[in-house]
Amino acid sequence: QLQLQESGPGLVKPSETLSLTCIVSGDSISSRTYYWGWIRQPPGKGLEWIGSVYYGGNTYYNPSLKSRVTTSVDTSKNQFSLNLNSVTAADTAVYYCARHGSSWYENNRFDPWGRGTLVTVSS
Amino acid sequence: QSALTQPASVSGSPGQSITISCSGTSSDVGSYNVVSWFQQHPGEAPKLIIYEGTKRPSGVSNRFSASRSGNTASLTISGLQGEDEADYYCCAHAGSRSLVIFGGGTKLAVL
Repeated sequence: QLQLQESGPGLVKPSETLSLTCIVSGDSISSRTYYWGWIRQPPGKGLEWIGSVYYGGNTYYNPSLKSRVTTSVDTSKNQFSLNLNSVTAADTAVYYCARHGSSWYENNRFDPWGRGTLVTVSS
Repeated sequence: QSALTQPASVSGSPGQSITISCSGTSSDVGSYNVVSWFQQHPGEAPKLIIYEGTKRPSGVSNRFSASRSGNTASLTISGLQGEDEADYYCCAHAGSRSLVIFGGGTKLAVL
């Protein structure tokens, strides 16, 4: 059974870089059928897609975050990562990782999700 | 790209049916009948309950159904149960390979 688990610091200072990793177990991240995505949810608010990455390195991002986001895959460790730079308090959120299909009509089919990790931006 | 529009809250009694709307534009919901829907209980990760507009993943109750008319997608829950009390989010492919947008979410109360 596929499982995803986010890991990373729970506290990041303003202007610094938020870095998270999603560890994938139960399936290979090198599957040609899937992309691996990041979604966040500020406390008490709705969901926002951040971006997605393919094992071969292809990426695509939410235009509103594109200038600050990078994602990557480490096939040797079966995990993928998110970096968000120049963070502010507005980036405080629960960050989720999730898998979705590689066809265009599957790019909103996020399943399964990790449990999420709260990242607080504060000095 | 703005978030899809959902009502902030809906409510219903056990056994009743409710519908949650998700309004978009001709560039997203109206162009691609591949809206997905997610259920989120407090403190938990979202769970996929509808994909590609109308399909249910294995294990999801057939009390959940979805449809689309024009630029608006809808999720219907029939035979409401207490366990259905949760937040619901729609999610659409938005006109280019590089964009996914969510609705603002709807809180369902089962009275």
